[in-house]
Amino acid sequence: DGGITQSPKYLFRKEGQNVTLSCEQNLNHDAMYWYRQDPGQGLRLIYYSQIVNDFQKGDIAEGYSVSREKKESFPLTVTSAQKNPTAFYLCASSILAGNPEQFFGPGTRLTVL
Amino acid sequence: DQQVKQNSPSLSVQEGRISILNCDYTNSMFDYFLWYKKYPAEGPTFLISISSIKDKNEDGRFTVFLNKSAKHLSLHIVPSQPGDSAVYFCAASGAGSGQNFVFGPGTRLSVLP
Repeated sequence: DGGITQSPKYLFRKEGQNVTLSCEQNLNHDAMYWYRQDPGQGLRLIYYSQIVNDFQKGDIAEGYSVSREKKESFPLTVTSAQKNPTAFYLCASSILAGNPEQFFGPGTRLTVL
Repeated sequence: DQQVKQNSPSLSVQEGRISILNCDYTNSMFDYFLWYKKYPAEGPTFLISISSIKDKNEDGRFTVFLNKSAKHLSLHIVPSQPGDSAVYFCAASGAGSGQNFVFGPGTRLSVLP
Protein backbone atom coordinates (compact mmCIF):
# COMPACT_ATOMS: atom_id res chain seq x y z
CA ASP A 1 0.00 0.00 0.00
CA GLY A 2 1.41 3.38 -1.01
CA GLY A 3 0.90 6.35 1.19
CA ILE A 4 2.18 8.76 3.78
CA THR A 5 2.62 7.83 7.39
CA GLN A 6 3.04 10.13 10.33
CA SER A 7 3.86 8.99 13.79
CA PRO A 8 2.85 9.20 16.48
CA LYS A 9 -0.81 10.21 16.18
CA TYR A 10 -0.74 11.99 19.52
CA LEU A 11 2.32 13.45 21.19
CA PHE A 12 2.76 15.16 24.51
CA ARG A 13 5.84 17.11 25.52
CA LYS A 14 6.88 19.39 28.32
CA GLU A 15 7.50 23.02 27.56
CA GLY A 16 11.12 23.71 26.64
CA GLN A 17 11.76 20.33 25.05
CA ASN A 18 12.47 19.81 21.37
CA VAL A 19 10.32 17.19 19.67
CA THR A 20 10.62 15.55 16.25
CA LEU A 21 7.61 14.50 14.21
CA SER A 22 8.07 11.73 11.70
CA CYS A 23 6.83 11.72 8.10
CA GLU A 24 7.51 8.90 5.65
CA GLN A 25 6.16 8.36 2.13
CA ASN A 26 6.54 5.44 -0.25
CA LEU A 27 4.89 7.17 -3.21
CA ASN A 28 8.23 8.08 -4.80
CA HIS A 29 7.21 11.72 -4.62
CA ASP A 30 9.88 14.38 -4.99
CA ALA A 31 8.22 17.13 -2.98
CA MET A 32 7.23 17.02 0.67
CA TYR A 33 5.55 19.59 2.89
CA TRP A 34 4.77 20.33 6.51
CA TYR A 35 1.64 22.23 7.50
CA ARG A 36 0.21 23.31 10.79
CA GLN A 37 -3.50 23.54 11.48
CA ASP A 38 -4.98 25.59 14.34
CA PRO A 39 -8.68 25.86 15.22
CA GLY A 40 -10.51 28.22 12.88
CA GLN A 41 -7.53 28.54 10.57
CA GLY A 42 -6.52 26.90 7.36
CA LEU A 43 -3.39 24.90 6.89
CA ARG A 44 -0.28 27.04 7.10
CA LEU A 45 2.92 26.00 5.40
CA ILE A 46 5.91 25.53 7.70
CA TYR A 47 8.59 24.06 5.42
CA TYR A 48 8.73 22.32 2.09
CA SER A 49 11.28 20.33 0.17
CA GLN A 50 11.40 19.88 -3.58
CA ILE A 51 14.31 17.50 -3.65
CA VAL A 52 16.62 15.55 -1.35
CA ASN A 53 19.04 17.68 0.66
CA ASP A 54 17.11 20.85 -0.13
CA PHE A 55 14.28 22.57 1.71
CA GLN A 56 12.68 25.99 1.87
CA LYS A 57 10.93 27.98 4.59
CA GLY A 58 7.20 28.36 4.35
CA ASP A 59 5.08 31.07 5.90
CA ILE A 60 5.63 30.14 9.54
CA ALA A 61 9.08 28.51 9.74
CA GLU A 62 10.25 30.23 12.92
CA GLY A 63 10.84 27.75 15.73
CA TYR A 64 10.90 24.75 13.40
CA SER A 65 13.61 22.83 11.59
CA VAL A 66 13.57 20.05 8.99
CA SER A 67 15.90 17.72 7.17
CA ARG A 68 15.58 15.81 3.90
CA GLU A 69 18.36 13.26 3.85
CA LYS A 70 16.25 10.66 2.06
CA LYS A 71 13.53 11.03 -0.55
CA GLU A 72 11.11 9.07 1.60
CA SER A 73 11.55 10.98 4.84
CA PHE A 74 10.97 14.57 5.92
CA PRO A 75 11.07 14.88 9.73
CA LEU A 76 10.01 18.09 11.44
CA THR A 77 11.57 19.26 14.70
CA VAL A 78 9.55 21.60 16.85
CA THR A 79 12.09 23.47 18.90
CA SER A 80 11.72 25.22 22.23
CA ALA A 81 11.87 28.50 20.30
CA GLN A 82 8.41 27.88 18.85
CA LYS A 83 6.12 30.01 21.01
CA ASN A 84 2.86 28.15 20.44
CA PRO A 85 3.74 24.60 19.47
CA THR A 86 0.46 22.96 20.44
CA ALA A 87 -1.28 22.23 17.12
CA PHE A 88 -2.21 19.59 14.58
CA TYR A 89 0.67 18.93 12.19
CA LEU A 90 0.12 17.56 8.70
CA CYS A 91 2.73 16.23 6.32
CA ALA A 92 2.07 16.03 2.57
CA SER A 93 3.83 15.02 -0.60
CA SER A 94 3.40 15.55 -4.31
CA ILE A 95 5.01 14.25 -7.47
CA LEU A 96 6.53 17.62 -8.19
CA ALA A 97 6.72 20.85 -6.26
CA GLY A 98 3.65 22.93 -6.96
CA ASN A 99 1.75 19.91 -8.23
CA PRO A 100 -1.90 20.52 -7.42
CA GLU A 101 -2.55 17.14 -5.94
CA GLN A 102 -0.84 16.86 -2.60
CA PHE A 103 -1.34 13.66 -0.65
CA PHE A 104 -1.63 14.15 3.08
CA GLY A 105 -0.72 11.96 6.01
CA PRO A 106 -3.12 11.39 8.92
CA GLY A 107 -1.49 14.10 11.05
CA THR A 108 0.10 14.33 14.48
CA ARG A 109 -1.55 16.23 17.28
CA LEU A 110 1.16 17.77 19.45
CA THR A 111 0.32 19.04 22.90
CA VAL A 112 2.93 20.90 24.87
CA LEU A 113 2.22 20.93 28.59
CA ASP B 1 -4.52 38.88 6.68
CA GLN B 2 -6.14 35.83 5.10
CA GLN B 3 -5.70 35.60 1.36
CA VAL B 4 -8.22 32.78 1.12
CA LYS B 5 -11.44 33.13 3.06
CA GLN B 6 -14.26 30.75 3.78
CA ASN B 7 -16.70 32.90 5.66
CA SER B 8 -19.06 30.13 6.71
CA PRO B 9 -17.49 28.02 9.45
CA SER B 10 -20.30 25.50 9.18
CA LEU B 11 -23.18 24.47 6.94
CA SER B 12 -26.03 22.00 7.43
CA VAL B 13 -27.91 20.50 4.50
CA GLN B 14 -30.60 17.85 4.18
CA GLU B 15 -29.63 14.63 2.44
CA GLY B 16 -30.45 14.77 -1.26
CA ARG B 17 -30.33 18.56 -1.45
CA ILE B 18 -27.57 20.73 -2.86
CA SER B 19 -24.63 21.83 -0.73
CA ILE B 20 -22.91 25.05 -1.74
CA LEU B 21 -19.59 25.92 -0.14
CA ASN B 22 -18.10 29.30 -0.84
CA CYS B 23 -14.57 30.62 -1.00
CA ASP B 24 -13.21 34.11 -1.63
CA TYR B 25 -9.65 35.14 -2.35
CA THR B 26 -7.86 38.45 -2.40
CA ASN B 27 -4.72 37.78 -4.42
CA SER B 28 -5.32 38.35 -8.13
CA MET B 29 -2.15 36.37 -8.91
CA PHE B 30 -3.80 33.11 -7.87
CA ASP B 31 -4.52 31.01 -10.94
CA TYR B 32 -5.19 27.51 -9.61
CA PHE B 33 -7.74 26.50 -7.04
CA LEU B 34 -8.49 23.28 -5.25
CA TRP B 35 -10.95 21.83 -2.80
CA TYR B 36 -9.88 19.35 -0.17
CA LYS B 37 -12.11 17.28 2.07
CA LYS B 38 -11.09 16.30 5.58
CA TYR B 39 -12.59 13.79 7.96
CA PRO B 40 -11.78 13.97 11.69
CA ALA B 41 -8.36 12.59 12.65
CA GLU B 42 -7.40 12.13 9.00
CA GLY B 43 -5.37 14.17 6.54
CA PRO B 44 -7.18 16.16 3.84
CA THR B 45 -7.88 14.43 0.53
CA PHE B 46 -7.95 16.15 -2.81
CA LEU B 47 -11.44 16.57 -4.21
CA ILE B 48 -11.49 18.76 -7.30
CA SER B 49 -9.54 21.59 -8.88
CA ILE B 50 -10.00 24.38 -11.38
CA SER B 51 -7.63 26.50 -13.39
CA SER B 52 -8.24 30.18 -13.94
CA ILE B 53 -8.70 29.58 -17.66
CA LYS B 54 -11.97 27.81 -16.86
CA ASP B 55 -15.06 28.91 -15.03
CA LYS B 56 -16.45 25.48 -14.27
CA ASN B 57 -15.18 21.98 -13.61
CA GLU B 58 -17.37 18.99 -12.91
CA ASP B 59 -16.58 15.59 -11.47
CA GLY B 60 -19.57 13.43 -10.68
CA ARG B 61 -21.59 15.00 -7.89
CA PHE B 62 -19.02 17.76 -7.41
CA THR B 63 -18.83 20.95 -9.45
CA VAL B 64 -16.56 23.90 -8.84
CA PHE B 65 -17.41 27.32 -10.24
CA LEU B 66 -14.91 30.14 -10.55
CA ASN B 67 -15.80 33.81 -10.90
CA LYS B 68 -12.49 35.56 -11.50
CA SER B 69 -13.87 39.08 -11.55
CA ALA B 70 -15.42 38.56 -8.12
CA LYS B 71 -12.45 36.50 -6.88
CA HIS B 72 -14.92 33.91 -5.76
CA LEU B 73 -15.29 30.19 -6.16
CA SER B 74 -17.87 27.75 -4.97
CA LEU B 75 -18.19 24.00 -4.62
CA HIS B 76 -21.55 22.44 -5.36
CA ILE B 77 -22.39 18.94 -4.17
CA VAL B 78 -25.51 17.44 -5.70
CA PRO B 79 -27.11 15.39 -4.30
CA SER B 80 -25.60 15.66 -0.84
CA GLN B 81 -25.04 12.42 1.05
CA PRO B 82 -24.35 11.79 4.75
CA GLY B 83 -20.85 10.58 3.83
CA ASP B 84 -20.12 14.07 2.52
CA SER B 85 -20.12 15.36 6.09
CA ALA B 86 -16.60 16.66 6.59
CA VAL B 87 -14.55 19.85 6.67
CA TYR B 88 -13.93 21.32 3.22
CA PHE B 89 -10.86 23.45 2.57
CA CYS B 90 -10.44 25.78 -0.35
CA ALA B 91 -6.84 26.34 -1.49
CA ALA B 92 -5.25 28.61 -4.06
CA SER B 93 -1.88 28.89 -5.71
CA GLY B 94 -0.17 31.02 -8.28
CA ALA B 95 2.67 33.40 -8.81
CA GLY B 96 1.54 35.35 -5.79
CA SER B 97 2.21 32.42 -3.46
CA GLY B 98 5.42 31.11 -4.96
CA GLN B 99 3.48 28.18 -6.39
CA ASN B 100 2.68 26.94 -2.88
CA PHE B 101 -0.88 26.56 -1.75
CA VAL B 102 -2.69 28.97 0.54
CA PHE B 103 -5.54 27.32 2.40
CA GLY B 104 -8.75 28.77 3.69
CA PRO B 105 -9.93 28.06 7.27
CA GLY B 106 -12.42 25.43 6.17
CA THR B 107 -16.18 24.94 6.29
CA ARG B 108 -17.70 22.07 8.24
CA LEU B 109 -20.50 20.48 6.22
CA SER B 110 -23.10 18.37 7.96
CA VAL B 111 -25.47 16.41 5.75
CA LEU B 112 -28.51 15.39 7.74
CA PRO B 113 -30.32 12.14 6.93
